[in-house]
Amino acid sequence: ILNVEQSPQSLHVQEGDSTNFTCSFPSSNFYALHWYRWETAKSPEALFVMTLNGDEKKKGRISATLNTKEGYSYLYIKGSQPEDSATYLCACTGGGNKLTFGTGTQLKVEL
Amino acid sequence: NAGVTQTPKFRILKIGQSMTLQCTQDMNHNYMYWYRQDPGMGLKLIYYSVGAGITDKGEVPNGYNVSRSTTEDFPLRLELAAPSQTSVYFCASSLDSYGYTFGSGTRLTVV
Repeated sequence: ILNVEQSPQSLHVQEGDSTNFTCSFPSSNFYALHWYRWETAKSPEALFVMTLNGDEKKKGRISATLNTKEGYSYLYIKGSQPEDSATYLCACTGGGNKLTFGTGTQLKVEL
Repeated sequence: NAGVTQTPKFRILKIGQSMTLQCTQDMNHNYMYWYRQDPGMGLKLIYYSVGAGITDKGEVPNGYNVSRSTTEDFPLRLELAAPSQTSVYFCASSLDSYGYTFGSGTRLTVV
């Protein structure tokens, strides 16, 4: 079982602010890292799947980077909007597609 | 295209009762998973399956059973419900190393 940690646990930002959060994982026995967006009363929605060191992925105002050698990934949101308010989950697998999830970063974007 | 369908959405059980949480996917995904989500604990893997006829334990399998007789269906069985099984249960599916598609969740309370 991998130990996946996310920080911060929660974050309040103003509309228009850019923000980022961190996911840490063991750099040994790493296969893939996933990011999910989880809105209240809905189910988690896949954002990115990354496997290679140095990978960068982008979807609109959201992007992510991966450093497998030091065991971390960053998720960035540029120009936060109220609709970005959600919990952002990071998950890792050491192989076999069986994910271990972090506890998430809860983002609240205020007007 | 329904994705991953979970039923029921809510259920209250008495201690010692049994029930089956249903999960069906129509995307021909080979992998299917059951997670439970407890406050502050993140998603914990209960059981998973890599294909019809093949299941394996996750991190927290005690008190649960699964079967995978078809590609589409992956029911989760609680034999003797206990208060510790009060949780929100999510079924998910994936195709090899791609991101998961989650169901909408089942909120179970054991009293």
